[in-house]
Amino acid sequence: ETGVTQSPTHLIKTRGQQVTLRCSSQSGHNTVSWYQQALGQGPQFIFQYYREEENGRGNFPPRFSGLQFPNYSSELNVNALELDDSALYLCASSLDREFTGELFFGEGSRLTVL
Amino acid sequence: KNEVEQSPQNLTAQEGEFITINCSYSVGISALHWLQQHPGGGIVSLFMLSSGKKKHGRLIATINIQEKHSSLHITASHPRDSAVYICAVRRNDMRFGAGTRLTVKP
Repeated sequence: ETGVTQSPTHLIKTRGQQVTLRCSSQSGHNTVSWYQQALGQGPQFIFQYYREEENGRGNFPPRFSGLQFPNYSSELNVNALELDDSALYLCASSLDREFTGELFFGEGSRLTVL
Repeated sequence: KNEVEQSPQNLTAQEGEFITINCSYSVGISALHWLQQHPGGGIVSLFMLSSGKKKHGRLIATINIQEKHSSLHITASHPRDSAVYICAVRRNDMRFGAGTRLTVKP
């Protein structure tokens, strides 16, 4: 048990819709990062938030956006869903925005886009 | 070519065998992680390395920064070790290998 919780665990959307995924970080952790993992592949870094500001982004289009709240929980929003957005979305919290500390992952939100 | 390459992709072992999973990377890094992912998706961090060697129970991880290579070893493997093992490198972001699927048979 890492103390990182994600919701919802599973959801189904149709192409063109919008989705919001949520992540509660481990107590005391000020950094949250998000990852997309397509079936059979390794995760890909989407972005990271430190103290409510985005401070790193992978190769994802602007329709992938996020927020971090004062309590350090976070949201991932995806607009104009495409079939290829179907994946497991993972968040991880850490104490350190420089990626030098240990990461604690949630169980993930599995998104299916039809 | 992926910046983080793992081998083998799939590995089947008998209980008790010594297992090695390899990770090679082509970029400068600040740290390397070994992660374990069970069916259903949740990821557990096993090790974070920036140099040398770390040991935790039956698991050993080593890294050679000059050769840009890391290995994860499992001694006396057990069916509960069956999982996907993922190598990830830290730069100003995180880059992941595709994972090694390990199956340990009783």
